[in-house]
Amino acid sequence: AQSVSQHNHHVILSEAASLELGCNYSYGGTVNLFWYVQYPGQHLQLLLKYFSGDPLVKGIKGFEAEFIKSKFSFNLRKPSVQWSDTAEYFCAASGGNQGGKLIFGQGTELSVKP
Amino acid sequence: DAGITQSPRHKVTETGTPVTLRCHQTENHRYMYWYRQDPGHGLRLIHYSYGVKDTDKGEVSDGYSVSRSKTEDFLLTLESATSSQTSVYFCAISEAPSSRTDTQYFGPGTRLTVL
Repeated sequence: AQSVSQHNHHVILSEAASLELGCNYSYGGTVNLFWYVQYPGQHLQLLLKYFSGDPLVKGIKGFEAEFIKSKFSFNLRKPSVQWSDTAEYFCAASGGNQGGKLIFGQGTELSVKP
Repeated sequence: DAGITQSPRHKVTETGTPVTLRCHQTENHRYMYWYRQDPGHGLRLIHYSYGVKDTDKGEVSDGYSVSRSKTEDFLLTLESATSSQTSVYFCAISEAPSSRTDTQYFGPGTRLTVL
């Protein structure tokens, strides 16, 4: 069965700390990978996406993610977090030619202390 | 932000009553989706549409039906609401989901409470 799992449910960091959120997927065939962010009280916004090509993907707000096929992983990173990065982060995947149906991970809540 | 609105934004209803949620888009995107968000589960796809009158089931479709009579509107109906359907419901739209340039945009959500 297709699935996406996020290892950390709640991460607490101080400002300027580095961030890495784990995401692993189980998918047969071609997979497209995404990271979304949901700020408190807001809707989901796309941070970055991987379809093919360069496995290191850069997104908005200084975030990046690396697709490692051998590990079935797509971890999200940011070298220095800010208080405004406090939010919930979702990893998601879709299969090629499956109508964009997204399967989401459980989400990771990030709290950044000023 | 993409032109997606959801109505109502908040609703409290009683078990056994029918409920309809509306998603309206002004982007003329072909694909529309309904997800529910629950703590510990992330978002899960309920139903989606790939064109007017073309719909298909998602991962958690039991107890839900959808209709799409116009490109801009996608309705989600709970025929007989149950407490397990208490959730936040998000609509999303996409123009070309298999394209690397495409993005799935999400609406503001509807918070539904079934007592």
